[in-house]
Amino acid sequence: KNQVEQSPQSLIILEGKNCTLQCNYTVSPFSNLRWYKQDTGRGPVSLTIMTFSENTKSNGRYTATLDADTKQSSLHITASQLSDSASYICVVSFFYSSASKIIFGSGTRLSIRP
Amino acid sequence: EAQVTQNPRYLITVTGKKLTVTCSQNMNHEYMSWYRQDPGLGLRQIYYSMNVEVTDKGDVPEGYKVSRKEKRNFPLILESPSPNQTSLYFCASSFHRDRGSYNEQFFGPGTRLTVL
Repeated sequence: KNQVEQSPQSLIILEGKNCTLQCNYTVSPFSNLRWYKQDTGRGPVSLTIMTFSENTKSNGRYTATLDADTKQSSLHITASQLSDSASYICVVSFFYSSASKIIFGSGTRLSIRP
Repeated sequence: EAQVTQNPRYLITVTGKKLTVTCSQNMNHEYMSWYRQDPGLGLRQIYYSMNVEVTDKGDVPEGYKVSRKEKRNFPLILESPSPNQTSLYFCASSFHRDRGSYNEQFFGPGTRLTVL
């Protein structure tokens, strides 16, 4: 069964600290993986995208990694800020019956405390 | 400003009363999609459209209808809403969704629907 699982479900850290969010997937054949940030009351916004051949991608203080062999991705946030408080969603695309499909993880809710 | 707009943002209605949630994008995107987001679950696709007059079912299409008469608009129709359709709904658009689904989707602000 094609699945995307994220951990932890929620996380609280102090402002200025680093954190890492995890995403494990079982989809096949894999196409690409995106991380989205969703602020409360808003739609998701793309942070990074990685294809099979890429194992790291940065966007400012956000760094995503991908291990296509173990089907795992992580999102590392450096020197967290209050504005990083949001849900982070892992989205995996894969091929299915000559078309492509996407599956959204349920997200990790991150809270940054001052 | 490039954006996806949805209306209304909040709606409380009663079982069986037909409603329409509008979605419009100004980026000339071919691909548009509707999702629902429920606590503990990932976004689930309801319907999508590859272009004008081309629509297809997503993973949870039951109880919903869509139409794509113009490129910029993609309304979601609930003919007879039921309480299990209480959810947060998002419209999204992107350039043509090719085999690789590489293109970033741009999401609207969401519509919170409550069906009593």
